[in-house]
Amino acid sequence: KNQVEQSPQSLIILEGKNCTLQCNYTVSPFSNLRWYKQDTGRGPVSLTIMTFSENTKSNGRYTATLDADTKQSSLHITASQLSDSASYICVVSAIRVASGTYKYIFGTGTRLKVLA
Amino acid sequence: GAVVSQHPSWVICKSGTSVKIECRSLDFQATTMFWYRQFPKQSLMLMATSNEGSKATYEQGVEKDKFLINHASLTLSTLTVTSAHPEDSSFYICSARVVGAITGELFFGEGSRLTVL
Repeated sequence: KNQVEQSPQSLIILEGKNCTLQCNYTVSPFSNLRWYKQDTGRGPVSLTIMTFSENTKSNGRYTATLDADTKQSSLHITASQLSDSASYICVVSAIRVASGTYKYIFGTGTRLKVLA
Repeated sequence: GAVVSQHPSWVICKSGTSVKIECRSLDFQATTMFWYRQFPKQSLMLMATSNEGSKATYEQGVEKDKFLINHASLTLSTLTVTSAHPEDSSFYICSARVVGAITGELFFGEGSRLTVL
């Protein structure tokens, strides 16, 4: 069964600290993995997208890693800011080879709160 | 990146009325759009997949007669909540996939908050 699990469910850190969010998946056949940031009451915004062959990708203070062997990904946030307070969602896509269409499996998200 | 626009951002309606939410891809064509529902402090729940020129594919447990989806063009999909009731109050989000994108990149709208009184 295709599943995406994220941990922790919620996290509180102090401004300026680093943190790492985890995403474990059992999705096949794997196409790519995305991390999205969703502010409260807004739509998700893409942070990174990683394909099978990519191990690390950075976007400013956000660095995502992917281990396709263990089917794990992490999102590391450096020097956190108050504006980083949001939900972070891991989305893994599987491609249906016969039709060439994609199926997207959403994680339950990690709610991050950054305190001053 | 590509822009997906949703309208309205928020709507309040009386019980029993119908509400239409629009999802537009502003600078790209999208053969496939997705509609989600999100409850407070929960992740997005896929409701249906909307394909241009054909009937939408609904997820299990989603009433197709309750949530009417129309995808009449490559840039517009609409979700109509018919005979809305208070339990339909929720945050509705759409996403669109770029035509021909190898990676199947998804772009999300800003969401529409529906409150049914």
